[in-house]
Amino acid sequence: QQPVQSPQAVILREGEDAVINCSSSKALYSVHWYRQKHGEAPVFLMILLKGGEQKGHEKISASFNEKKQQSSLYLTASQLSYSGTYFCGTEQISGAGSYQLTFGKGTKLSVIP
Amino acid sequence: NAGVTQTPKFRVLKTGQSMTLLCAQDMNHEYMYWYRQDPGMGLRLIHYSVGEGTTAKGEVPDGYNVSRLKKQNFLLGLESAAPSQTSVYFCASSYIEVTGANVLTFGAGSRLTVL
Repeated sequence: QQPVQSPQAVILREGEDAVINCSSSKALYSVHWYRQKHGEAPVFLMILLKGGEQKGHEKISASFNEKKQQSSLYLTASQLSYSGTYFCGTEQISGAGSYQLTFGKGTKLSVIP
Repeated sequence: NAGVTQTPKFRVLKTGQSMTLLCAQDMNHEYMYWYRQDPGMGLRLIHYSVGEGTTAKGEVPDGYNVSRLKKQNFLLGLESAAPSQTSVYFCASSYIEVTGANVLTFGAGSRLTVL
């Protein structure tokens, strides 16, 4: 089942902040964040693991609330280069190991001068 | 290193024709995936593989078949293409880090149009 992302789209001026949310109805092992620019492949930004391990981007941060099965991506002091569509991907907890990454429908972020 | 390479990049098919998309990775990754991307739908998993010789169904497997005969290659086949299969197809590969992190590297995508 696809995670739910909000908002669907957001427009920012350079220097403004944004928060993108991702929620799932199932218990999660990890949450991934990817960014895709128009006509290009998705690029990895951040991963948050159950238990607190985090690996990611210098200027973008994220949180993972395991109990609520929710994650938020925080973009501060946005730059023009932040424009793109952001996808969260979730891995569910599975006794046999979890290899499926299920993506949300995406949040389109536009940063204007 | 090339990373993940998909061929072809573009293809137009007629309804009922068959074709194969090839994904090759040079990172020695165990896991490989095929996703399709449609406007407003995000990325949906078609099939995936956790190792050479193994495949499994994802969210939207109907109408597709896959094979992983060699570790570095993952093939996606359409036996009888339908207009509903018009999409951009992305291949990805990954490995599980010691921390448990499973980070995907995507190919550039293959745009398929079925008339």
